[in-house]
Amino acid sequence: AQTVTQSQPEMSVQEAETVTLSCTYDTSESDYYLFWYKQPPSRQMILVIRQEAYKQQNATENRFSVNFQKAAKSFSLKISDSQLGDAAMYFCAYAGTGNQFYFGTGTSLTVIP
Amino acid sequence: DAGVIQSPRHEVTEMGQEVTLRCKPISGHDYLFWYRQTMMRGLELLIYFNNNVPIDDSGMPEDRFSAKMPNASFSTLKIQPSEPRDSAVYFCASSLNPPGGGDTQYFGPGTRLTVL
Repeated sequence: AQTVTQSQPEMSVQEAETVTLSCTYDTSESDYYLFWYKQPPSRQMILVIRQEAYKQQNATENRFSVNFQKAAKSFSLKISDSQLGDAAMYFCAYAGTGNQFYFGTGTSLTVIP
Repeated sequence: DAGVIQSPRHEVTEMGQEVTLRCKPISGHDYLFWYRQTMMRGLELLIYFNNNVPIDDSGMPEDRFSAKMPNASFSTLKIQPSEPRDSAVYFCASSLNPPGGGDTQYFGPGTRLTVL
């Protein structure tokens, strides 16, 4: 089974600053998809950004962007101009041919006013 | 669309009681997933359905857990009898295509279950 590792249980960032959350994964597949989900205190899991492994271009959604390094099996999330509403748990997820999502253990992000 | 709907949002019960969690997926989504989230184990996939048929239930912890999907718009996860270690947040998610196709899973708000 694939594994997804988020090595930072907790991170903090000053409001308006930039923060990067790390994610690595282990797979032998060449075609797969990677996701970042946000889980605020309301518990709702919300998709932040999605990356297709066959695309070299890094995905971007407004203030959120990824640094996808396929050879290194790394998929980090960069949040620019951090806002108080960005405070949440962030989960990295992998989806390959196995018809399952594999989630990391999450990173709790605190935004300091 | 209203998104994935789960009920109840909170459930408190006593050990030994039967618990039924409910989910309504997004209309038109052929895949439905049940997850359990705990501090110790994170997000775990319990079971998923394709077109109402259970495809993989290898994540179901034991026979006390059962899931059904009688039609395309409704699924239940039942725990009988419930135990304190079942306390967790249970999520339902749905998607149009299988995860291997890169489709996003849309999650419901979850049910927080507390078994006393």
